[in-house]
Amino acid sequence: EVQLLESGGGMVQPGGSLRLSCGASGFTFPTFDISWVRQAPGKGLEWVSVITSGHNTYYLDSVKGRFTISRDNSQNTVYLQMNSLRAEDTAVYYCVSRETPTSPDHWGQGTLVTVSS
Amino acid sequence: QSVLTQPPSVSAAPGQMVTISCSGSYSNIGYNYISWYQQLPGTAPKLLIYQNDERPSGIPDRFSGSKSGTSATLGITGLQTGDEADYYCGTWDSSLYIWVFGGGTKLTVL
Repeated sequence: EVQLLESGGGMVQPGGSLRLSCGASGFTFPTFDISWVRQAPGKGLEWVSVITSGHNTYYLDSVKGRFTISRDNSQNTVYLQMNSLRAEDTAVYYCVSRETPTSPDHWGQGTLVTVSS
Repeated sequence: QSVLTQPPSVSAAPGQMVTISCSGSYSNIGYNYISWYQQLPGTAPKLLIYQNDERPSGIPDRFSGSKSGTSATLGITGLQTGDEADYYCGTWDSSLYIWVFGGGTKLTVL
C-alpha cells in the first residue's frame, strides 16, 4: 500500500524558514515523481513544486528562489526547504506521488504551515 | 484566478445525476491527461479519475470522467449524501511548466 507521511510543519514568523519532509513507503520510490501541493485555509488547491525521478525540478513562480525541493532516494524521502516565508505561504502542504502521467497519484494527509507574527 | 475554470457550486437530489465541468486551454487540458479529486471536509484530496477517464481501484463506477478538446467533465450518478464534497480538476500545463487546478466545485446533495 502506498503511504506518504508529511512532517515538519508548524508556526514560523514572516521571513523565517521551515523544512518539510515527505516519507514514502509501499512503492518503488526512485521511479516516482513527487510533488508538493498546498491549500490555504478555505481556499483551493495550489501546486507548489515537483521533483521528477530524474531529479528535474519545477516551481510555482511565487516560490521560485525561496523554496527548494530535493530528494534522498536512499531514505525514500522528499524535502521542501522553505525560506523567506510569507503570510501567504500559510497552508496545509500535501505530498503527492505519481510514476507516470498515465498513472494514478497518491496523496499524503498533509502538514500545516502557519506564517504569522 | 485559476488556470482551469470550474463552476463554484452544483446541486442535485439524492439518486440523481450531476456533472461538473472543467475548462482550460490547449497547453493544459488539450495536451495532457486530466485528473479529478474529491475532498471531503477536513480531509486530504482523494483521486477519483486519472488519465481522463480511468478510475483507481476502489472508486465506484458511479464516478466517470470524459475529455473533449480543452474541456473535461466529471459525472456522478446515483448521488448520495456522502458525495457532498469539493471536487477539483487538475492537469499539467505544458506552457507554464506547472501543475494547474480548477478553483473547485462544491457539490450539495439536497
